[in-house]
Amino acid sequence: EPEVTQTPSHQVTQMGQEVILRCVPISNHLYFYWYRQILGQKVEFLVSFYNNEISEKSEIFDDQFSVERPDGSNFTLKIRSTKLEDSAMYFCASSEKEGWNSPLHFGNGTRLTVT
Amino acid sequence: AQSVTQPDIHITVSEGASLELRCNYSYGATPYLFWYVQSPGQGLQLLLKYFSGDTLVQGIKGFEAEFKRSQSSFNLRKPSVHWSDAAEYFCAVGARSGYSTLTFGKGTMLLVSP
Repeated sequence: EPEVTQTPSHQVTQMGQEVILRCVPISNHLYFYWYRQILGQKVEFLVSFYNNEISEKSEIFDDQFSVERPDGSNFTLKIRSTKLEDSAMYFCASSEKEGWNSPLHFGNGTRLTVT
Repeated sequence: AQSVTQPDIHITVSEGASLELRCNYSYGATPYLFWYVQSPGQGLQLLLKYFSGDTLVQGIKGFEAEFKRSQSSFNLRKPSVHWSDAAEYFCAVGARSGYSTLTFGKGTMLLVSP
C-alpha cells in the first residue's frame, strides 16, 4: 500500500537554526498537510497546501514557517529560526481529494528537538 | 471552533477483555468524526470514521464506534483486546465546510496487560 514517507525520523538542531522537514506524499494525492504534536499535547493542524499554494493555515503557522513543493514528489516544511517551543513531532499527511470522503494518510513523523 | 476531549490519558486493559475509549466533541453541527491509532514509531492510521447514517460504525482491526448526538460522544470499542492493540488512540473531528483539517484530542494511551 502506498505510504507517506518523512525524513529524517529525528532531527536535532540548535535554537536559531533553520530546519527543513521533508515529506514524500502518496503519488496521486493532490492535497498536502502538516500537523505537529508537542510532547503530551494534542496533534495540531499547521497548514494545508493545494495547487502550489497554501489553502489554509492555523495561528501556529506564523512567518517563521513556510512550505514548498519544490518538485513533483517532495513537500517540505521549513522553520527559519527555530525556537525551543518548536520541539515536537511533525506529521505530514496527504489526501487524494478535498473533503472527508478522501481520508488523510499520515507519515510516521519527524521528531524535531531544538536545544 | 470545534474541540475534542479524551478524558482518559492512560487505560490499562487485560488481554481478552473489552475496551471502551471515550471521546467527547464540541461542534455547532453534526461533525465528521474519526478515530486514529498510532503505534510506536508509526504514523497515524485511520481506524474508522462517521459521516452520517448508522450511528454505529465498524472499522479495521475489529474496532467499532458509536456516535451519540445527545451526549456529543463518539466512543471507541472493541469486544476483546489483543496485545497488539497497545498504542495511542486519537479521536478527531472535522468541520463540515472548508478544507480537510482535523481537530484532534490529546489521545489515550492503551496498555494491554497479559
